This record gives sequence, structure tokens and C-alpha cells, in this order.
Amino acid sequence: GESVGLHLPTLSVQEGDNSIINCAYSNSASDYFIWYKQESGKGPQFIIDIRSNMDKRQGQRVTVLLNKTVKHLSLQIAATQPGDSAVYFCAENVDSYGKLTFGQGTILTVHP
Amino acid sequence: DAGVIQSPRHEVTEMGQEVTLRCKPISGHNSLFWYRQTMMRGLELLIYFNNNVPIDDSGMPEDRFSAKMPNASFSTLKIQPSEPRDSAVYFCASSPRANNEQFFGPGTRLTVL
Repeated sequence: GESVGLHLPTLSVQEGDNSIINCAYSNSASDYFIWYKQESGKGPQFIIDIRSNMDKRQGQRVTVLLNKTVKHLSLQIAATQPGDSAVYFCAENVDSYGKLTFGQGTILTVHP
Repeated sequence: DAGVIQSPRHEVTEMGQEVTLRCKPISGHNSLFWYRQTMMRGLELLIYFNNNVPIDDSGMPEDRFSAKMPNASFSTLKIQPSEPRDSAVYFCASSPRANNEQFFGPGTRLTVL
């Protein structure tokens, strides 16, 4: 029979291009946000985080932007490389114990 | 630090058998989280502990699932009896405190025949 699964958003880019992955979060009270990268066969890996008192944070080749007004988070990857191909998840901290709520993920494919 | 350690990495079992997944969090981390990941449902939080105490188990799908954390360095997730629909990758993650990243283990790929 036909299999039904999540239809993840996909983004295909050429090597060297910049990539932008977007995420909408649900809880206006969330004060901490994380982007994770998951490669095939591995667990999610931390990329970058941002707290709600900031609207931008930069890392190495990555930038996270936070717009609390519209509850939107984005991840920008500069000069995307084939090794950046993975599923990217945004996550928001929703309680005082560190519980995270994850987005459904976006598949990034980088073509050489 | 070795990171979060999970065992086994792969488990194949038959329907009806008991399955026990194991996790060793990063030393000093106070919170431990169990997730399940499938193509159908994505990444789902099953249960989490803080200072070895279960905080929220509302994500545990059925009574067949149980989790324990007898001490700060060890947790188990047990499925009894297992069913084919339990087939998934199960991740354990730990965190030093709230408002901090969770560190994920490599996962256990469970196949129930």
C-alpha cells in the first residue's frame, strides 16, 4: 500500500550559495531557541542558539534571526557546502526544565 | 567527555518480546529526555526527567512503554510487549539546565518484526 509520512519542506541550493531556512514557532512565552542539524543515521546536532532578548546571533557561517512579533525564526547559512546537506530543525524551550518543542524539519540539499 | 551514550545501537526483535533501551547522559547534566523519531510522526518527546524524577510522561504512547532513571548516570526505556509499529529510532538527550541546548545521543534503531 501507499506509505504516508511527513512531507518536509525542502530547499535545494548550489554549492557556494547562501541558504535561508525558516521556522514558525508557537509559544509567545518561549525565551530560548535552538537550531539543530541532523545528518542521515545520526542524532540531531546543535548549530546555534538565541535567547529572546536578542534578534540576531552569528556563528561561523551561520546566522540566526528571531522575530518575536510574528514568532518567526530563520537560519542563514553562508557559502553552503555539500556537507551542509541534512535535515534542519528549529526548537523552542517551553518550560523551566529545558523541554524543547521541535519543528517538523527542513531538508537542505546542496548540489556540487 | 564521551557525550550521551546509548545502547544498543541497533535492535531487531520479534513482536511480543520485551525491549530495553539504555542511556548514559553527560556527567553533570540534570535533565534527560527520551525521543522517538519516525518518518510518519517526526521527532516526538516521550518522557523527560529532572534530577532523576520523571517530570512529564504525557508523550509515552501506551502502557507498554515505561522509563526509569535510577540514578543520575543511567536511564532505561522499556517496551513490553513490543509491536511492529514501535519500530523507530529512539534518541536520548541530556541538558545541564533549562534554557540550554540538549545534547543528543546517536540513537537506537529498533525494528520489531
